[in-house]
Amino acid sequence: DTAVSQTPKYLVTQMGNDKSIKCEQNLGHDTMYWYKQDSKKFLKIMFSYNNKELIINETVPNRFSPKSPDKAHLNLHINSLELGDSAVYFCASSQASGTTSTDTQYFGPGTRLTVL
Amino acid sequence: AQKITQTQPGMFVQEKEAVTLDCTYDTSDPSYGLFWYKQPSSGEMIFLIYQGSYDQQNATEGRYSLNFQKARKSANLVISASQLGDSAMYFCAMRYTGFQKLVFGTGTRLLVSP
Repeated sequence: DTAVSQTPKYLVTQMGNDKSIKCEQNLGHDTMYWYKQDSKKFLKIMFSYNNKELIINETVPNRFSPKSPDKAHLNLHINSLELGDSAVYFCASSQASGTTSTDTQYFGPGTRLTVL
Repeated sequence: AQKITQTQPGMFVQEKEAVTLDCTYDTSDPSYGLFWYKQPSSGEMIFLIYQGSYDQQNATEGRYSLNFQKARKSANLVISASQLGDSAMYFCAMRYTGFQKLVFGTGTRLLVSP
C-alpha cells in the first residue's frame, strides 16, 4: 500500500549517460513534485506539476526534463549526466497546492543517484 | 525573501526526556503553512506535523507538538518522552500562498541516547 513510490531506489551510472527516475502516487493527489537533496542534506524544489501541467520549474539545467503522463505519475529524465548531479531525488505529492493542512506533501522513498 | 532557519545543526537528548528543535521563518505573506519532517538514516522523508498561520492553537500529533509563536516567527518542534527511534534529521519547512513548493531549513540532527 505504498503511497508514493519511486524506482529505482539506487542508480549508479557513468558521466554522459541518460537516465530516468519514475514516480507514482496512489493517493489521488493532484499535485506532484521533484526535490533534490544534496550531499549536505539540503532539499530544494526542482519541478511541480498540477494535473499534468507544469507549475514550477526552478533554475534547473535543461538536461532535466520532467514528464507527467497522468496525474498519478511524474517521471524525471536526465540527459548527459554530470558529476554534480549526484544527489538524492525525492518525488512528492499533495492533494492541493495551497497552505492548508490538506496541502501536506508526502514524499517517496528517494532515489540515490551516483554519477561516476 | 521567504526563508527558514534552523540554527541547531545537532542536538543530543537522553531517552524519555523532552527536546525542542528550533525553527524560525521569515515571510511577509499572512497565509502560510509550517511543516516538520523526519528523515531517519534509511533516508525517507516522514511528515510529522502541520501548523497553519491562522490556527489559533498549537498543533499536536502524539508525542510531537509545535510551539507556534507567530509574533516571533518561530515554529519549534517539541518531542516529548524521546525514544531511540527518534534519532534522525528533522527538517522544518514552509509553504506560502501562491507558491507551490516547500522551502526547507537546513535540518537538525537529533541523537537520542539510552
